[in-house]
Amino acid sequence: KQEVTQIPAALSVPEGENLVLNCSFTDSAIYNLQWFRQDPGKGLTSLLLIQSSQREQTSGRLNASLDKSSGRSTLYIAASQPGDSATYLCAVINYGGSQGNLIFGKGTKLSVKP
Amino acid sequence: DGGITQSPKYLFRKEGQNVTLSCEQNLNHDAMYWYRQDPGQGLRLIYYSQIVNDFQKGDIAEGYSVSREKKESFPLTVTSAQKNPTAFYLCASSIARERGEQFFGPGTRLTVL
Repeated sequence: KQEVTQIPAALSVPEGENLVLNCSFTDSAIYNLQWFRQDPGKGLTSLLLIQSSQREQTSGRLNASLDKSSGRSTLYIAASQPGDSATYLCAVINYGGSQGNLIFGKGTKLSVKP
Repeated sequence: DGGITQSPKYLFRKEGQNVTLSCEQNLNHDAMYWYRQDPGQGLRLIYYSQIVNDFQKGDIAEGYSVSREKKESFPLTVTSAQKNPTAFYLCASSIARERGEQFFGPGTRLTVL
């Protein structure tokens, strides 16, 4: 059964710092991996989608990498800003029994202090 | 603007009542999903639908029902059989089930009185 883990559960950094959020998964047979942002009481905003054949994706100050063989993905945020404060969720879509369904980690709550 | 809408934003249910949560999308997506989010547990899949008039149970379908009569709409009914329905409910859609990027609505917070 696929399990997705995100470490750390919470992170506090000063404004301007570059930071890395980690995501690991136990089964490397995935279709894709998706990173989301969630603000308190709101829905999820899709940040980046990495297909299984890709190694990384970039959007603005965000860069996500994928290493299927080691079961890891990282989300790199450059020059962090207070507006980046939110919970970041990682999710994978498996091959196999629960095909097509997103399996989520519990998220990393990021606080960027001015 | 293309997107996913959910209504209501807040919903209160009395014991023994059935309530229906609305989800509509104008993205022309084939696949739609319902998730439940509880503090400390992450998101869990309730039901999903790949095409009109077809839907499948997810990991926690007991006490819930859905319908998919139109491509744009995927309502979720929380029945009285769901013993712990207080949660944040999120609807999502994607072009295709396996490879498509999933987009989420703003959510409905359901509270049992």
